[in-house]
Amino acid sequence: QSALTQPASVSGSPGQTITISCTGTSSDVGAYNFVSWYQQHPGKAPKLMIYEVTNRPSGVSYRFSGSKSGKTASLTISGLQAEDEADYYCSTYTSSNTLVFGGGTKVAVL
Amino acid sequence: EVHLLESGGGFVQRGGSLRLSCAASGFTFNNYAMSWVRQAPGKGLEWVSGVISSGTGSTDYADSVKGRFTISRDNSKNALYLQMNSLRAEDTAIYYCAKDSFNWNVGYFDSWGQGTLVNVSS
Repeated sequence: QSALTQPASVSGSPGQTITISCTGTSSDVGAYNFVSWYQQHPGKAPKLMIYEVTNRPSGVSYRFSGSKSGKTASLTISGLQAEDEADYYCSTYTSSNTLVFGGGTKVAVL
Repeated sequence: EVHLLESGGGFVQRGGSLRLSCAASGFTFNNYAMSWVRQAPGKGLEWVSGVISSGTGSTDYADSVKGRFTISRDNSKNALYLQMNSLRAEDTAIYYCAKDSFNWNVGYFDSWGQGTLVNVSS
């Protein structure tokens, strides 16, 4: 089970829109709409931000949105704010009945 | 409010064993799948193992721990466990207990514990 591929870092200025990609294979991202995204601040547990590719849990800001095309899923953060600075991880179910995370992306707000 | 509290972490020598526990409260435990997710120091998240909610208790494991780790749950005690044997240095990590949003291991972890640190020394 290889980790999903994410960029190591993405940055943007306050108010800007950024997108984080998450690339898998035809056995994971490309096979199912079971992609989720997590936000993790330093020293804290992860927080679910997006599930089932596009759905936001209650309490998550509308500024966070998800999408998928083929083997690549994406998380978009619009109206970037200082509090969005964190690590972000994608995850998906796989054809091996396992789960796999991406390597993580560090978002910096300039 | 959902609350997950891990315990059982600590220092162990290579080849040794540890048993992690997770006490759950604030939700109907036997309705949801549960997983263990770990994070090595300074590294990313890695799913370790999951167990579904139903009576069969069907389990799944990452290849990295298959044959060495065993996940189990006791619905009467609202508890999740991870028995870790033949520990290796690369198992050193914070281990999180995570509640899934469904009764099978779909991977939508809507609640997490604070984690327990496992340190395997050589």
